Amino acid sequence: NAGVTQTPKFQVLKTGQSMTLQCAQDMNHNSMYWYRQDPGMGLRLIYYSASEGTTDKGEVPNGYNVSRLNKREFSLRLESAAPSQTSVYFCASSEARAERGPQHFGDGTRLSIL
Amino acid sequence: AQSVTQPDIHITVSEGASLELRCNYSYGATPYLFWYVQSPGQGLQLLLKYFSGDTLVQGIKGFEAEFKRSQSSFNLRKPSVHWSDAAEYFCAVGAVEGGKLIFGQGTELSVKP
Repeated sequence: NAGVTQTPKFQVLKTGQSMTLQCAQDMNHNSMYWYRQDPGMGLRLIYYSASEGTTDKGEVPNGYNVSRLNKREFSLRLESAAPSQTSVYFCASSEARAERGPQHFGDGTRLSIL
Repeated sequence: AQSVTQPDIHITVSEGASLELRCNYSYGATPYLFWYVQSPGQGLQLLLKYFSGDTLVQGIKGFEAEFKRSQSSFNLRKPSVHWSDAAEYFCAVGAVEGGKLIFGQGTELSVKP
């Protein structure tokens, strides 16, 4: 089983460029999440989606937008990348209600912004 | 406000020794509590979770954790560590209002042969 698949795995951007991080899960999960991981700070929730068609802000949503395209896919967009957005981004999903936390994580997208 | 503290940034144990990773939380009501493990270059894997009921929770890979309300703690334990347990471990606390888990800063575990 593929689980949670993220693309791309690595990306380098220049300040001001835009890009979309893709995430897809094949487990028929309702809830999906986007986190960023920075050294010494654990994971911080950017956005989450409790079900198809709904999204909600997390702890650090500024500078990001999301789209829950369908039940499988949840994309994260950086409209105008800034060096502070250099991070490792993880997508996750869960079968249960969102408050019960993510169950499965992708392997991450390592994003550098110059 | 919710918060999670993992007091130990890095721990080294010998293979075969017992392990306890500490986690303290701050939350007004009974929290949802989680432990995740992350191997280098990979995403997180859910080890175990506590929602209610029995305060001793069994997880995967031989791990267990005990919820102690009086101490606001949810420490992770394993009786005998294997070299493959070397990884970073994250404790997290969840709020009832949505999937807004708060993660601790992580504890990196090294295992000596």
